[in-house]
Amino acid sequence: GIQVEQSPPDLILQEGANSTLRCNFSDSVNNLQWFHQNPWGQLINLFYIPSGTKQNGRLSATTVATERYSLLYISSSQTTDSGVYFCAVGAYKLSFGAGTTVTVRA
Amino acid sequence: DAGVIQSPRHEVTEMGQEVTLRCKPISGHDYLFWYRQTMMRGLELLIYFNNNVPIDDSGMPEDRFSAKMPNASFSTLKIQPSEPRDSAVYFCASGGGYEQYFGPGTRLTVT
Repeated sequence: GIQVEQSPPDLILQEGANSTLRCNFSDSVNNLQWFHQNPWGQLINLFYIPSGTKQNGRLSATTVATERYSLLYISSSQTTDSGVYFCAVGAYKLSFGAGTTVTVRA
Repeated sequence: DAGVIQSPRHEVTEMGQEVTLRCKPISGHDYLFWYRQTMMRGLELLIYFNNNVPIDDSGMPEDRFSAKMPNASFSTLKIQPSEPRDSAVYFCASGGGYEQYFGPGTRLTVT
């Protein structure tokens, strides 16, 4: 199956800071999604982004499919951004990375 | 739309008992997925359906697990008999294309 590597594994931020999360994958894909798992365990769909760039408020994502990586940018981080961020790739059968645990301190 | 609905949200059962997890996908979505999340193995796809037909069940751990989708608005994941190693959070997701939307999950504890 497709291998998905996320970095860094852990990230501690001060409120208001910016950060970049990375996702590398081992094969070409039709589907790449970023999810946020909040402290209550809910998986929230952030972006469907097999290629290109998208923005949603303080979050944006870029996927360079030819180089097999995707980046998630968090700007002006808030405590509500805390949780685990997952990258998932594949087609209908998604393979998930191990996630980046983000902690935003007030 | 109410999103993907799962029940129960929490289930505690004894080893050897049958467990049935339920899922109602988002209306209009023709793909339905069952995932399991554990600390050791992360998020794993167990099985997925298209138009109520199982397409890939290669992630189902063993014969104790079975999944059905009798109609477009309902699916079940059954474990019989349950074992302590089945303790996990089980997510259902649905999608109209590649993009998937997850339900709140069922936290299963087998003692």
